Amino acid sequence: AQKVTQAQTEISVVEKEDVTLDCVYETRDTTYYLFWYKQPPSGELVFLIRRNSFDEQNEISGRYSWNFQKSTSSFNFTITASQVVDSAVYFCALRKAGGTSYGKLTFGQGTILTVHP
Amino acid sequence: GAVVSQHPSRVICKSGTSVKIECRSLDFQATTMFWYRQFPKQSLMLMATSNEGSKATYEQGVEKDKFLINHASLTLSTLTVTSAHPEDSSFYICSAKGTSGRGVAETQYFGPGTRLLVL
Repeated sequence: AQKVTQAQTEISVVEKEDVTLDCVYETRDTTYYLFWYKQPPSGELVFLIRRNSFDEQNEISGRYSWNFQKSTSSFNFTITASQVVDSAVYFCALRKAGGTSYGKLTFGQGTILTVHP
Repeated sequence: GAVVSQHPSRVICKSGTSVKIECRSLDFQATTMFWYRQFPKQSLMLMATSNEGSKATYEQGVEKDKFLINHASLTLSTLTVTSAHPEDSSFYICSAKGTSGRGVAETQYFGPGTRLLVL
């Protein structure tokens, strides 16, 4: 069975601080995908990143960066110089690659990030 | 690209009535669409997976006759909440997964969600 754990339920920071959101996953599959989604107060889930299990390169996109470490089954997300607009719920998710699961996502419980001005 | 729309965004209905929610992929063909339910301050709960032209696959504990899903085309799936009751009030979100190209085959793109309130 697959499982995604986001141990941080809520994080509160002041604007311009860096913040890291943790994600730990469990899977028996050798090939899988990891995702991060952002859910602002409006409710829509915004896709941030997809990472294939074969690609352990870290990625940076503007103020966002992701650290994928297969050895510790972690896929952490860092926001540098946080802004108020970053306030949202962030979900980490896992999907098996291929097979008959039709791409079902296993979500973590989410981390509520609040950035104060 | 990879935009998914959902309609209506908000609906209030009386207990006992049926409500239909539409999910459309606007700029890609979605062979598979997913329906989720989300309670306040909780994660998303997958209700069912629908593939174009075939019956939906429901998750354990989800009533098939209560939540009717139709995936009539590669760009449209509908969720009908039949004989709605107050406990069906929730935030319903759909997502779509494409056939190929631009990563849509590997990524689920989500609609903006529908807030259902049953009085």
